[in-house]
Amino acid sequence: GAVVSQHPSWVICKSGTSVKIECRSLDFQATTMFWYRQFPKQSLMLMATSNEGSKATYEQGVEKDKFLINHASLTLSTLTVTSAHPEDSSFYICSATHPGAPYEQYFGPGTRLTVT
Amino acid sequence: EDQVTQSPEALRLQEGESSSLNCSYTVSGLRGLFWYRQDPGKGPEFLFTLYSAGEEKEKERLKATLTKKESFLHITAPKPEDSATYLCAVQARGGGATNKLIFGTGTLLAVQP
Repeated sequence: GAVVSQHPSWVICKSGTSVKIECRSLDFQATTMFWYRQFPKQSLMLMATSNEGSKATYEQGVEKDKFLINHASLTLSTLTVTSAHPEDSSFYICSATHPGAPYEQYFGPGTRLTVT
Repeated sequence: EDQVTQSPEALRLQEGESSSLNCSYTVSGLRGLFWYRQDPGKGPEFLFTLYSAGEEKEKERLKATLTKKESFLHITAPKPEDSATYLCAVQARGGGATNKLIFGTGTLLAVQP
């Protein structure tokens, strides 16, 4: 149980375009979903916390107009990187909390974004 | 400020050579400490949650322990398939319902046959 998927697993886009990443909890309804980014050989940095039906809470320094988060249902959250630039190239990972273990986060496999 | 420090940054072991990874933390009231394993190009895989000092948890060759200032991940008789980055994270009380995790930078473990 507690399986989280992401789609796509990797994406290449041109500078100035937007790209959407999906995060799904496959076998449970997620209480909360989180979005992280990870640069090579660095740890995970939390970008935002998302609850179904409400606005996401962004961490300090994260541009909410650039990284749009939509949490339309208890099993789906999306991250849209708008007007992407090469510096947005990174590994984006989502996680979800299971209602039976609200403090534990279960992570998706990640999405590698490359902006050319 | 809540902080997590992991050491060593990298560790190379021979197969069967037991060792420990360290996670030191400062947090304004610990709700939980979490250990994850991350393989290259993959998302973190949940290993353990520890909630109070003195607590221990085991899974196969791994054992996690917790004190008021640090946690250890003991690896007994490691195998090459244990090679990965091991991440430690803490969750503070008083953060409302956000359940936010603060991660350390990880220990890269390489086990040679």
